[in-house]
Amino acid sequence: GAVVSQHPSRVICKSGTSVKIECRSLDFQATTMFWYRQFPKQSLMLMATSNEGSKATYEQGVEKDKFLINHASLTLSTLTVTSAHPEDSSFYICSATSSGSLNEKLFFGSGTQLSVL
Amino acid sequence: QKEVEQNSGPLSVPEGAIASLNCTYSDRGSQSFFWYRQYSGKSPELIMFIYSNGDKEDGRFTAQLNKASQYVSLLIRDSQPSDSATYLCAVNYGQNFVFGPGTRLSVLP
Repeated sequence: GAVVSQHPSRVICKSGTSVKIECRSLDFQATTMFWYRQFPKQSLMLMATSNEGSKATYEQGVEKDKFLINHASLTLSTLTVTSAHPEDSSFYICSATSSGSLNEKLFFGSGTQLSVL
Repeated sequence: QKEVEQNSGPLSVPEGAIASLNCTYSDRGSQSFFWYRQYSGKSPELIMFIYSNGDKEDGRFTAQLNKASQYVSLLIRDSQPSDSATYLCAVNYGQNFVFGPGTRLSVLP
């Protein structure tokens, strides 16, 4: 399967700081990347969908000014959590797919555990 | 609204038994279906995909698709304690993947 690299795997930060998470597709061009968050023992929650070179589409209830997504190239998307607060502590996971065809598969990064103190 | 439903479980099976995981979806236009395994604290991992009606086997895993009934299942033969995880069913609607809530499987030694 295709490889999606996500960094960092774990980050601890102080309340009010910003955190950037990177997601890279290593062996394919990711036309679309998705960002999810997941609380313990809960389902994946889609936060936003980003297509290379265009603005991300955010799901209802997700603050786009707080969760900044940049998909500047076909292999890199970043999620920046601005002015993080303890309630933002969660497991953030990116995923990527290539052509957008109906048979295309979705591959996940390894996730980032964010802890805001 | 496109929906994917799964029984949240937990589903408990003894070691060596067959685990059967089920998933239903709402949109008849769905073309491709996926099963992901997610261990606690880890991200989902793709284990099976199926596009056509019928069965698809890969090792101990068999995916079954019935488009008329809008039903897809995953069978795990000879279940092992290492199979204990949450299994997510997903449907691809083009550039939109919809996930079910997942079924937690526990294989008891």
